[in-house]
Amino acid sequence: LAKTTQPISMDSYEGQEVNITCSHNNIATNDYITWYQQFPSQGPRFIIQGYKTKVTNEVASLFIPADRKSSTLSLPRVSLSDTAVYYCLVVYSGGYQKVTFGTGTKLQVIP
Amino acid sequence: DVKVTQSSRYLVKRTGEKVFLECVQDMDHENMFWYRQDPGLGLRLIYFSYDVKMKEKGDIPEGYSVSREKKERFSLILESASTNQTSMYLCASRTGRGLYNEQFFGPGTRLTVL
Repeated sequence: LAKTTQPISMDSYEGQEVNITCSHNNIATNDYITWYQQFPSQGPRFIIQGYKTKVTNEVASLFIPADRKSSTLSLPRVSLSDTAVYYCLVVYSGGYQKVTFGTGTKLQVIP
Repeated sequence: DVKVTQSSRYLVKRTGEKVFLECVQDMDHENMFWYRQDPGLGLRLIYFSYDVKMKEKGDIPEGYSVSREKKERFSLILESASTNQTSMYLCASRTGRGLYNEQFFGPGTRLTVL
């Protein structure tokens, strides 16, 4: 299983772009990078998944360099409602294997 | 919309009781999971099931068992509840087909063991 490392916490002001970086040095060829968001008292919610280069959806962008040893989740113009814990996961796509959520990055958006 | 429901949002039990936590999903997903979440420890996988009647231990299976008799239902059983099993329990499901890895989570059950 590829281990991920991400900051424990981050603060940002409303309206700013937030970038959360995750390192996954031993990522394997068949692994995808997946991010989840969790609000207090709720289960995690899938945000975005990518394999390489850039993926964008209505919520976020995911940037993955060519060596895939790290990835950056970018949240444009955050609001107070983006305050949550963000988890970076490396997930094997050749069949089911255990995934590890870790402790995530707690993002606090400040007014 | 995928729906994952859990039988209770809050549950209070006594030490030694047998506890059943039920999870139901309505999207015909093959894979189902039970996690527990504790402050500072993130989500930890207890058990998962990749198909009916199939189960695999996760990272912390001790003190727990599971049952999956029907595809849509995955039960977590605490054979003899202890105070260190006080936690938030989260169920999730995922399709076993294709490359898409999204897990859909239920709202969670906050279990307190006295």
